[in-house]
Amino acid sequence: GAVVSQHPSRVICKSGTSVKIECRSLDFQATTMFWYRQFPKQSLMLMATSNEGSKATYEQGVEKDKFLINHASLTLSTLTVTSAHPEDSSFYICSAQGVGNSPLHFGNGTRLTVT
Amino acid sequence: DQQVKQNSPSLSVQEGRISILNCDYTNSMFDYFLWYKKYPAEGPTFLISISSIKDKNEDGRFTVFLNKSAKHLSLHIVPSQPGDSAVYFCAASLYNQGGKLIFGQGTELSVKP
Repeated sequence: GAVVSQHPSRVICKSGTSVKIECRSLDFQATTMFWYRQFPKQSLMLMATSNEGSKATYEQGVEKDKFLINHASLTLSTLTVTSAHPEDSSFYICSAQGVGNSPLHFGNGTRLTVT
Repeated sequence: DQQVKQNSPSLSVQEGRISILNCDYTNSMFDYFLWYKKYPAEGPTFLISISSIKDKNEDGRFTVFLNKSAKHLSLHIVPSQPGDSAVYFCAASLYNQGGKLIFGQGTELSVKP
């Protein structure tokens, strides 16, 4: 079946540095990818929606200059957390959707810890 | 403002019994509901869904019930198996925004042998 690969699964970085997270659809073309964030004991919160070849649409309260999203191809979207701070420590997860209303497939998530 | 709520953070059930996971929502414009299952260190995987025009959808051991007037849905697993132990998320979407999901907080199900 369809697989979404997310990398890295875990990253620790120092405050002020930037971290890039990749999300790849392995056997289908993802016209739309979604980025979520989950804090402990809370639900997955949608951060942004990215469509291949166009700018991402960010949810209210999500800083687009801090969370840079690039969806350069139909199989790859990246999320870059710029100038990371400890409060950005969270679980980040992507999902990808093919054409039409095909089901969403999720990556395994990235645990980001900012020290 | 939590539009999708799962008020029980955890549930423990004996193997072979029924597991009932509940979910409430506030937005009457939601027209599609889904349940996802998540194991530790893995992403959520789709389990079962229901359209707002239905009140029940069944797939093997899993049945989802939708009560629109109460804005409530539930997932029934019967019989429960130890391998069902995981975190279960309900999610909702609006018409023509199928990929944009609003998730509940999740319920951790533990099925004891």
